Amino acid sequence: DAGVTQSPTHLIKTRGQQVTLRCSPKSGHDTVSWYQQALGQGPQFIFQYYEEEERQRGNFPDRFSGHQFPNYSSELNVNALLLGDSALYLCASSLFSKGTEAFFGQGTRLTVV
Amino acid sequence: EDQVTQSPEALRLQEGESSSLNCSYTVSGLRGLFWYRQDPGKGPEFLFTLYSAGEEKEKERLKATLTKKESFLHITAPKPEDSATYLCAVQARRPPGTYKYIFGTGTRLKVLA
Repeated sequence: DAGVTQSPTHLIKTRGQQVTLRCSPKSGHDTVSWYQQALGQGPQFIFQYYEEEERQRGNFPDRFSGHQFPNYSSELNVNALLLGDSALYLCASSLFSKGTEAFFGQGTRLTVV
Repeated sequence: EDQVTQSPEALRLQEGESSSLNCSYTVSGLRGLFWYRQDPGKGPEFLFTLYSAGEEKEKERLKATLTKKESFLHITAPKPEDSATYLCAVQARRPPGTYKYIFGTGTRLKVLA
């Protein structure tokens, strides 16, 4: 049983560029959440997708957007990258009807130079 | 405002030296409290879910407990392989359909052989 998979694992982008990160949820899960984790900090909630809609959003600017596909996989897009966007981006999947424990992928390390 | 505070920030133990990590929380109606383990550069690994005060969960050398204001992660006779960052997160009941996690900043545990 495949767990949560994210791609790519590492990425280096230049300030002002755009980036797309991808996530496939754990088998049987229908909800995907994205988190940003800066070095030495706990993960910060970006947004959550269920039934291909954004259901909840954290305190992140509109430069952060996402999408969920019919197969439950998801993308996180960040436009106009800033140096401060450098972080580990984590995808978590869960089952909406239970709304309980989420399982995380290994993350994508984004470095903005 | 929902908030999670973990202490200590860092902890060094000798192998076999038992200790406890603390997670204090303020949340508008607790749906669940979650403990995760995170190794450097990796995604958080699920350990426990606690739902109500008085509940306890155990797994190998780890035991998690919950009161109305805090949770403890007790580590009994730790081994070097228990070295990691331990994250605590809460999930609120309100507003309805709220499934985001609010994380603490974690406790970095180092167990010396």
